[in-house]
Amino acid sequence: QVQLVQSGAEVKKPGASVKVSCKASGYTLTYFYMHWVRQAPGQGPEWMGMINPSGGSSTYAQKFQGRVTMTRDTSTSTVYMDLSSLRSEDTAVYYCARDGTGIAVAGKLDYWGQGTLVTVSS
Amino acid sequence: QSALTQPRSVSGSPGQSVTISCTGTSSDVGGYNYVSWYQQHPGKAPKLIIYDVTKRPSGVPDRFSGSKSGYTASLTISGLQAEDEADYYCCSYAGSLSRVFGGGTKLTVL
Repeated sequence: QVQLVQSGAEVKKPGASVKVSCKASGYTLTYFYMHWVRQAPGQGPEWMGMINPSGGSSTYAQKFQGRVTMTRDTSTSTVYMDLSSLRSEDTAVYYCARDGTGIAVAGKLDYWGQGTLVTVSS
Repeated sequence: QSALTQPRSVSGSPGQSVTISCTGTSSDVGGYNYVSWYQQHPGKAPKLIIYDVTKRPSGVPDRFSGSKSGYTASLTISGLQAEDEADYYCCSYAGSLSRVFGGGTKLTVL
């Protein structure tokens, strides 16, 4: 069965970076795009970007351009989301989510990781 | 990219039907048939319940249905059950490979 297992909670100071991992199992990583979505406490989800695990290309939301980097390691079926220059407003649960269509233009986030809480505090 | 507009809350009694709206613009909801809906219970990850405006993933009851007219998409839940009480979010493709979510609607089953 498809599973996305994310790394554990992180506490970071303002200005630091965080790298969250998402290990996929039960399917071939390179067949489906992976998205990253975050959700601040009490707020709705916010789309951060997506990566094509096949070629490694990424598309980021304008809000995060220059601060976020999404990468993958096909040998371990793992994707990563790196967010730099952290500020208190980045405190949120970060999710990876697979798009089950296999195409870039779509909207079917059919499997989600369990979420990783990132807390930014001095 | 502004968030899609959803009502903050809706409510209904068991067995009734409720509809949740999701309003966007010509650049997202109105421009593409890639609207999806997610159900989220407290402390859990979102769960896909509708995609491509009207399609249901396997395992999602047919009590859940989706539609779209112009810039507004809608999720209808018929035959409300206690376990339907949750937060619901819409999401739309917004061009240039981007996506945008709604602010969320809290459904209360009375």
